[in-house]
Amino acid sequence: EPEVTQTPSHQVTQMGQEVILRCVPISNHLYFYWYRQILGQKVEFLVSFYNNEISEKSEIFDDQFSVERPDGSNFTLKIRSTKLEDSAMYFCASRKGRSGGSYEQYFGPGTRLTVT
Amino acid sequence: AQSVTQLDSQVPVFEEAPVELRCNYSSSVSVYLFWYVQYPNQGLQLLLKYLSGSTLVESINGFEAEFNKSQTSFHLRKPSVHISDTAEYFCAVLVSGGGADGLTFGKGTHLIIQP
Repeated sequence: EPEVTQTPSHQVTQMGQEVILRCVPISNHLYFYWYRQILGQKVEFLVSFYNNEISEKSEIFDDQFSVERPDGSNFTLKIRSTKLEDSAMYFCASRKGRSGGSYEQYFGPGTRLTVT
Repeated sequence: AQSVTQLDSQVPVFEEAPVELRCNYSSSVSVYLFWYVQYPNQGLQLLLKYLSGSTLVESINGFEAEFNKSQTSFHLRKPSVHISDTAEYFCAVLVSGGGADGLTFGKGTHLIIQP
């Protein structure tokens, strides 16, 4: 069964450094998402991406964040200058599309980002 | 804006006993409803969903949830739990009809199965 994959599984970085988290969504899916889960807290929506542009973003997704689909398979989240409070599990998700009522999002295993 | 409330942060239950995990939502528009499960050290897996039609939806591993519009609830139930059901369970909503695309999650309920 196809699944969303994410690399790396764990990333440790120093405050102020740039990080890129990578995701490979399910191949025939059209909508892509990033969420984060700070330890002990709820999963929070960051951004959705469709047709090579951001379709929705939350208040958390400020100027230090950016997303990109550099080729036909990868979907990346970049954090330009990491802060301690960016430490969290970051989940990538994908969805097939709205046609046929396909609204469920499929999540990857996550990347644990630790900012020191 | 919509919100999801999962009142119970932890639910301990004995193996083979029934369980109900509560989920209430608030939204000024129609929503789709989901339950996700997160096993230890793993990502989120879709357990079941309500989009339309029958208000009772079932998963392949014995869980079911019932959409109650008047009570704005989507409680998750299982008649007999197993040790392997130990996990974090998240209720989530999505605004229907296009537009807002991100899921709004509850804080999660940790289901602890005691032998």
